[in-house]
Amino acid sequence: DADVTQTPRNRITKTGKRIMLECSQTKGHDRMYWYRQDPGLGLRLIYYSFDVKDINKGEISDGYSVSRQAQAKFSLSLESAIPNQTALYFCATSGATSGTYNEQFFGPGTRLTVL
Amino acid sequence: KQEVTQIPAALSVPEGENLVLNCSFTDSAIYNLQWFRQDPGKGLTSLLLIQSSQREQTSGRLNASLDKSSGRSTLYIAASQPGDSATYLCAVNKGPGNMLTFGGGTRLMVKP
Repeated sequence: DADVTQTPRNRITKTGKRIMLECSQTKGHDRMYWYRQDPGLGLRLIYYSFDVKDINKGEISDGYSVSRQAQAKFSLSLESAIPNQTALYFCATSGATSGTYNEQFFGPGTRLTVL
Repeated sequence: KQEVTQIPAALSVPEGENLVLNCSFTDSAIYNLQWFRQDPGKGLTSLLLIQSSQREQTSGRLNASLDKSSGRSTLYIAASQPGDSATYLCAVNKGPGNMLTFGGGTRLMVKP
């Protein structure tokens, strides 16, 4: 089984609809992240969470909200989807090894299309 | 604000060729740098991570170097194979467990 899973993998929705993307991890990591990827722009950070009670905005948080329901679950919501939120969304996790955080591990991504 | 640039944006080479992918960053105060591989429709696979105190890391046919003072990293792929065809992304981390700043990627095609 994959260590970081995302649901749904693909979603088509209409402008104005509320949508939630979910991320679960079995790596036991305390830090989780949401990124979006647009063609040619690399990935940009939306929100990140260092533990269940710690939520932080990233570079492009406007129009998004998140919920950290448990250490293993981190959800991203679009309250009222708009077409320029069409993108590939990735969840990532990071955990301490010998007291330091190094690599981030990514889920398979959710392709979201807003019509 | 950290900016990460990858050149070239796309590269096509014949099988067997050695190649170099470039990554540059504007702020040399980084904690580490990661190289990822992304296949179409799939997530990111971490290839190599270089700590700021290191000069290079190797894994199989891959070798990544880091010159922090000049703000550059290179990913060297030896004896390229068609299976190496993918998009390669570099990302810098300014602190332990902090957010990554990504480059736009290099799309590599290795032709048989």
